[in-house]
This record gives sequence, C-alpha cells and structure tokens, in this order.
Amino acid sequence: DQQVKQNSPSLSVQEGRISILNCDYTNSMFDYFLWYKKYPAEGPTFLISISSIKDKNEDGRFTVFLNKSAKHLSLHIVPSQPGDSAVYFCAAAEGGTSYGKLTFGQGTILTVHP
Amino acid sequence: DTAVSQTPKYLVTQMGNDKSIKCEQNLGHDTMYWYKQDSKKFLKIMFSYNNKELIINETVPNRFSPKSPDKAHLNLHINSLELGDSAVYFCASSHGTGVLWKAQYFGPGTRLLVL
Repeated sequence: DQQVKQNSPSLSVQEGRISILNCDYTNSMFDYFLWYKKYPAEGPTFLISISSIKDKNEDGRFTVFLNKSAKHLSLHIVPSQPGDSAVYFCAAAEGGTSYGKLTFGQGTILTVHP
Repeated sequence: DTAVSQTPKYLVTQMGNDKSIKCEQNLGHDTMYWYKQDSKKFLKIMFSYNNKELIINETVPNRFSPKSPDKAHLNLHINSLELGDSAVYFCASSHGTGVLWKAQYFGPGTRLLVL
C-alpha cells in the first residue's frame, strides 16, 4: 500500500522550459512534504520542503505547491537546466512523534535536453 | 569532507553469509537512519536511532540488526543473507528535534548483491 505515489516514471523537458513533477498521497496524517534529488550512484539530496500550513514554498528556481484537499503536491523547476537531470523523489512525514519517518514515492526521472 | 559516508560501496556475497555495512556522519546530527531501496526503486525506512536509542523499527526481518556505538555511527548487520536482500542500502542523518529533523542527509548507498 503505497501512501506516496509519483505516477510519472519519467519526464523529458527542453532546457529553459518549466519542469513540473507531481506527487499524490493518501495519508491524511502527513503534514510535511519534501522533495529530494538523486544523481546516479549517489544518495538523495534534500531540495525543498513545505509544511501543511502553507500552499507554496519557493527557493530560487524551485517552487513546491501543496493542495491539501486534493492530497497533491508538485515541484516546479523554472527554468530547467541540463544539470537538473536526475531522479526526483517526493517524501512525506506525519507530525507528532513520527520522528523522522519519511515515506517516499518511487521517483520520477527528469531529463532536461540542451 | 564527506558528510555521511558508508562502507563498503559495493558488496557481493553468497546466500547464507553474514555481512555488515558501516555508516558515519560528521554533521553533528543526533539521529541516524537506514533505508532500503528495492528493485522497484522505493526508498523504505528500516531503522532510526536518536542519541544511540532505537526510535523507529519498521517491519524488518530480525536477521537485520542495527547497532549505534555513538551518535556519529550507525552500522547494519545482516545475518543469513537471502536473495531478496539484494538492494541498495542508504544511511541518513538529521537533527533530532523540531522541524529540522525532516531534512535528512543521505550517504552514497551500499549496493548489496546476494548470489
């Protein structure tokens, strides 16, 4: 039973355009969401996060949007660069005493073409 | 300097063997984790330690035993390895309190292949 789902296994985008990566969740107890980026043969790297009290968080070229009613979040990368090509993981955590237990989606492979 | 390091990076072994994977972090974090990335690419948490105390223990066979000698180290010992244990194992660390814990820092992974 996957509580966090990334339904697009891959996404291909032209350099300079917008990349939109999507993530859906089913657990209503999730109150904190994160995006991680992973290059081959490396561990995931924290990218950006959002608390459930917000609906948008921005950090440079990266913006995460949260739609709690739809249990959906998305990561926007504008403009996309070839160096953004990687696997992007969405992750979620419950509040309270969940103490670091992240539930990950299966990842979306982003390819940005020059 | 590597923030979270794991050894070995690659591990090829026979079924039935016992093996250990070591993890060290130099970030001063007090919480460490082990994740397993299976063939379907899902990252699933296995264990978490805060200040050397086990705080998360997911449904993992008891052939897997974590050990935390101090806050900077979390090792994973696997007994009687099975084919299904083949996966990439990631170690991670974070601050243990407040919202900061949720930004976890990952090691490069250990690729385990059981033959």
